[in-house]
Amino acid sequence: KAGVTQTPRYLIKTRGQQVTLSCSPISGHRSVSWYQQTPGQGLQFLFEYFSETQRNKGNFPGRFSGRQFSNSRSEMNVSTLELGDSALYLCASSLAAGYTEAFFGQGTRLTVV
Amino acid sequence: QQQVKQSPQSLIVQKGGISIINCAYENTAFDYFPWYQQFPGKGPALLIAIRPDVSEKKEGRFTISFNKSAKQFSLHIMDSQPGDSATYFCAAGVAGSGEKLTFGTGTRLTIIP
Repeated sequence: KAGVTQTPRYLIKTRGQQVTLSCSPISGHRSVSWYQQTPGQGLQFLFEYFSETQRNKGNFPGRFSGRQFSNSRSEMNVSTLELGDSALYLCASSLAAGYTEAFFGQGTRLTVV
Repeated sequence: QQQVKQSPQSLIVQKGGISIINCAYENTAFDYFPWYQQFPGKGPALLIAIRPDVSEKKEGRFTISFNKSAKQFSLHIMDSQPGDSATYFCAAGVAGSGEKLTFGTGTRLTIIP
Protein backbone atom coordinates (compact mmCIF):
# COMPACT_ATOMS: atom_id res chain seq x y z
CA LYS A 1 0.00 0.00 0.00
CA ALA A 2 1.51 3.31 -1.09
CA GLY A 3 2.07 5.95 1.54
CA VAL A 4 1.30 9.63 1.46
CA THR A 5 2.79 11.25 -1.64
CA GLN A 6 3.74 14.89 -1.72
CA THR A 7 4.92 16.77 -4.76
CA PRO A 8 7.18 18.44 -5.47
CA ARG A 9 9.83 17.47 -2.92
CA TYR A 10 11.72 20.73 -3.25
CA LEU A 11 10.76 24.21 -4.40
CA ILE A 12 12.60 27.50 -4.62
CA LYS A 13 10.45 30.59 -5.06
CA THR A 14 10.96 34.32 -4.99
CA ARG A 15 9.31 36.66 -2.51
CA GLY A 16 5.92 37.78 -3.75
CA GLN A 17 5.30 34.70 -5.88
CA GLN A 18 2.69 32.09 -5.13
CA VAL A 19 3.10 28.34 -4.82
CA THR A 20 0.89 25.26 -4.93
CA LEU A 21 1.80 22.04 -3.17
CA SER A 22 0.12 18.71 -3.77
CA CYS A 23 -0.69 15.75 -1.53
CA SER A 24 -2.10 12.34 -2.38
CA PRO A 25 -3.26 10.51 0.75
CA ILE A 26 -3.02 6.80 1.43
CA SER A 27 -5.51 4.89 -0.69
CA GLY A 28 -8.82 4.74 1.15
CA HIS A 29 -7.98 7.65 3.44
CA ARG A 30 -10.36 10.54 3.09
CA SER A 31 -8.99 13.10 5.53
CA VAL A 32 -5.95 15.25 4.83
CA SER A 33 -4.20 17.71 7.09
CA TRP A 34 -1.38 20.10 6.41
CA TYR A 35 1.39 21.15 8.80
CA GLN A 36 4.25 23.61 8.56
CA GLN A 37 7.55 22.57 10.13
CA THR A 38 10.29 25.08 10.91
CA PRO A 39 13.27 24.89 13.27
CA GLY A 40 11.94 27.78 15.33
CA GLN A 41 8.23 26.97 15.55
CA GLY A 42 8.25 23.20 15.19
CA LEU A 43 5.20 21.50 13.69
CA GLN A 44 2.23 23.78 13.35
CA PHE A 45 -1.21 22.82 12.10
CA LEU A 46 -2.39 24.62 8.97
CA PHE A 47 -5.73 23.06 8.05
CA GLU A 48 -7.65 19.82 7.69
CA TYR A 49 -9.94 18.64 4.93
CA PHE A 50 -12.52 15.90 4.79
CA SER A 51 -14.99 15.27 1.98
CA GLU A 52 -13.75 18.37 0.16
CA THR A 53 -14.61 20.58 3.15
CA GLN A 54 -12.23 22.40 5.44
CA ARG A 55 -12.99 21.23 8.97
CA ASN A 56 -10.27 22.93 10.96
CA LYS A 57 -7.89 25.78 10.38
CA GLY A 58 -4.79 26.78 12.28
CA ASN A 59 -3.58 30.23 13.13
CA PHE A 60 -2.10 31.21 9.79
CA PRO A 61 -2.81 34.26 7.61
CA GLY A 62 -5.25 34.11 4.74
CA ARG A 63 -2.35 33.80 2.28
CA PHE A 64 -2.40 30.12 3.18
CA SER A 65 -5.28 28.23 1.62
CA GLY A 66 -6.11 24.74 0.56
CA ARG A 67 -8.63 22.51 -1.05
CA GLN A 68 -9.49 18.87 -1.41
CA PHE A 69 -10.74 17.10 -4.48
CA SER A 70 -13.33 14.35 -4.80
CA ASN A 71 -10.56 11.72 -4.98
CA SER A 72 -9.27 12.99 -1.58
CA ARG A 73 -6.15 14.51 -3.10
CA SER A 74 -5.37 17.89 -1.61
CA GLU A 75 -3.52 21.01 -2.57
CA MET A 76 -2.35 23.92 -0.51
CA ASN A 77 -1.55 27.32 -1.88
CA VAL A 78 0.53 30.12 -0.46
CA SER A 79 0.21 33.50 -2.12
CA THR A 80 2.50 36.51 -1.88
CA LEU A 81 5.33 34.47 -0.47
CA GLU A 82 7.45 35.87 2.34
CA LEU A 83 10.93 34.80 3.45
CA GLY A 84 9.39 33.44 6.65
CA ASP A 85 7.31 30.96 4.66
CA SER A 86 10.44 28.90 4.04
CA ALA A 87 9.67 25.60 5.71
CA LEU A 88 8.96 21.94 5.31
CA TYR A 89 5.28 21.53 4.48
CA LEU A 90 3.90 18.20 5.58
CA CYS A 91 0.71 16.48 4.60
CA ALA A 92 -0.87 13.84 6.81
CA SER A 93 -3.68 11.49 5.90
CA SER A 94 -6.19 9.70 8.06
CA LEU A 95 -8.93 7.21 7.41
CA ALA A 96 -11.71 9.67 8.19
CA ALA A 97 -12.55 12.89 9.93
CA GLY A 98 -12.18 12.63 13.67
CA TYR A 99 -9.70 9.78 13.31
CA THR A 100 -6.57 10.97 15.03
CA GLU A 101 -4.12 8.37 13.70
CA ALA A 102 -2.27 10.39 11.09
CA PHE A 103 0.37 9.27 8.61
CA PHE A 104 2.74 11.85 7.17
CA GLY A 105 4.29 12.24 3.77
CA GLN A 106 7.93 13.19 3.24
CA GLY A 107 7.04 16.83 2.84
CA THR A 108 7.78 19.60 0.40
CA ARG A 109 10.78 21.74 1.25
CA LEU A 110 9.92 25.31 0.25
CA THR A 111 12.66 27.91 0.13
CA VAL A 112 11.71 31.54 -0.45
CA VAL A 113 14.52 33.80 -1.64
CA GLN B 1 -4.10 25.67 27.03
CA GLN B 2 -3.11 23.93 23.82
CA GLN B 3 0.59 23.56 24.56
CA VAL B 4 2.51 20.34 24.77
CA LYS B 5 5.86 20.80 26.49
CA GLN B 6 8.60 18.34 25.59
CA SER B 7 11.97 17.74 27.23
CA PRO B 8 14.85 17.40 26.84
CA GLN B 9 15.62 19.28 23.66
CA SER B 10 18.50 16.92 22.93
CA LEU B 11 19.64 13.65 24.42
CA ILE B 12 22.74 11.52 24.05
CA VAL B 13 22.52 7.91 25.16
CA GLN B 14 25.00 5.10 24.94
CA LYS B 15 24.14 2.07 22.84
CA GLY B 16 22.18 -0.40 24.89
CA GLY B 17 20.97 2.23 27.33
CA ILE B 18 17.46 3.54 27.98
CA SER B 19 16.35 6.76 26.29
CA ILE B 20 13.61 8.69 28.07
CA ILE B 21 11.73 11.65 26.62
CA ASN B 22 9.05 13.47 28.57
CA CYS B 23 6.00 15.49 27.63
CA ALA B 24 3.46 17.47 29.61
CA TYR B 25 0.14 18.87 28.47
CA GLU B 26 -2.40 21.32 29.80
CA ASN B 27 -5.62 20.66 27.93
CA THR B 28 -7.55 17.96 29.79
CA ALA B 29 -9.66 17.37 26.68
CA PHE B 30 -6.71 15.64 25.00
CA ASP B 31 -7.40 11.93 24.74
CA TYR B 32 -4.90 10.69 22.17
CA PHE B 33 -1.13 10.84 22.64
CA PRO B 34 1.11 9.67 19.80
CA TRP B 35 4.85 9.72 19.40
CA TYR B 36 6.46 10.35 16.05
CA GLN B 37 9.99 9.59 14.87
CA GLN B 38 11.57 11.75 12.21
CA PHE B 39 14.79 11.13 10.32
CA PRO B 40 16.50 13.95 8.41
CA GLY B 41 14.81 14.62 5.09
CA LYS B 42 11.80 12.49 5.97
CA GLY B 43 8.34 13.17 7.31
CA PRO B 44 7.41 12.14 10.86
CA ALA B 45 6.51 8.47 11.20
CA LEU B 46 3.97 7.30 13.75
CA LEU B 47 5.83 5.21 16.30
CA ILE B 48 3.38 4.40 19.07
CA ALA B 49 0.29 5.99 20.59
CA ILE B 50 -1.70 5.74 23.80
CA ARG B 51 -5.14 6.72 25.04
CA PRO B 52 -5.74 7.82 28.66
CA ASP B 53 -7.61 4.67 29.65
CA VAL B 54 -4.27 2.84 30.05
CA SER B 55 -1.15 3.84 31.96
CA GLU B 56 1.36 2.06 29.78
CA LYS B 57 1.69 0.70 26.27
CA LYS B 58 4.59 -1.30 24.95
CA GLU B 59 5.54 -2.10 21.38
CA GLY B 60 8.86 -3.85 21.03
CA ARG B 61 11.57 -1.68 22.54
CA PHE B 62 9.28 1.36 22.73
CA THR B 63 7.07 2.04 25.75
CA ILE B 64 4.75 4.95 26.50
CA SER B 65 4.03 5.69 30.15
CA PHE B 66 1.01 7.86 30.86
CA ASN B 67 0.15 9.72 34.08
CA LYS B 68 -3.30 11.25 33.72
CA SER B 69 -3.34 13.04 37.08
CA ALA B 70 -0.01 14.72 36.39
CA LYS B 71 -0.91 15.32 32.74
CA GLN B 72 2.37 13.83 31.65
CA PHE B 73 3.48 11.08 29.33
CA SER B 74 6.85 9.76 28.33
CA LEU B 75 8.57 7.61 25.74
CA HIS B 76 11.08 5.00 26.84
CA ILE B 77 13.35 3.36 24.30
CA MET B 78 14.94 0.25 25.75
CA ASP B 79 18.24 -1.14 24.47
CA SER B 80 18.77 2.02 22.38
CA GLN B 81 20.50 1.46 19.05
CA PRO B 82 22.37 3.82 16.70
CA GLY B 83 19.49 3.39 14.24
CA ASP B 84 17.21 5.04 16.82
CA SER B 85 19.11 8.32 16.36
CA ALA B 86 16.40 10.68 15.15
CA THR B 87 14.17 13.51 16.31
CA TYR B 88 11.19 12.42 18.38
CA PHE B 89 7.99 14.40 18.71
CA CYS B 90 5.22 13.87 21.18
CA ALA B 91 1.77 15.08 20.28
CA ALA B 92 -1.71 15.28 21.70
CA GLY B 93 -5.11 15.37 20.11
CA VAL B 94 -8.81 15.14 20.75
CA ALA B 95 -10.63 12.25 19.10
CA GLY B 96 -13.48 13.53 17.00
CA SER B 97 -11.91 16.92 16.49
CA GLY B 98 -10.32 15.98 13.21
CA GLU B 99 -6.60 15.68 12.79
CA LYS B 100 -5.47 18.70 14.65
CA LEU B 101 -2.56 17.32 16.59
CA THR B 102 -0.63 19.64 18.89
CA PHE B 103 3.04 18.76 18.79
CA GLY B 104 5.87 19.11 21.26
CA THR B 105 9.02 20.90 20.15
CA GLY B 106 10.98 17.71 19.50
CA THR B 107 13.93 15.88 21.04
CA ARG B 108 17.02 15.15 19.02
CA LEU B 109 18.22 11.74 20.18
CA THR B 110 21.74 10.56 19.45
CA ILE B 111 22.82 7.03 20.31
CA ILE B 112 26.58 6.66 20.60
CA PRO B 113 28.43 3.33 20.30
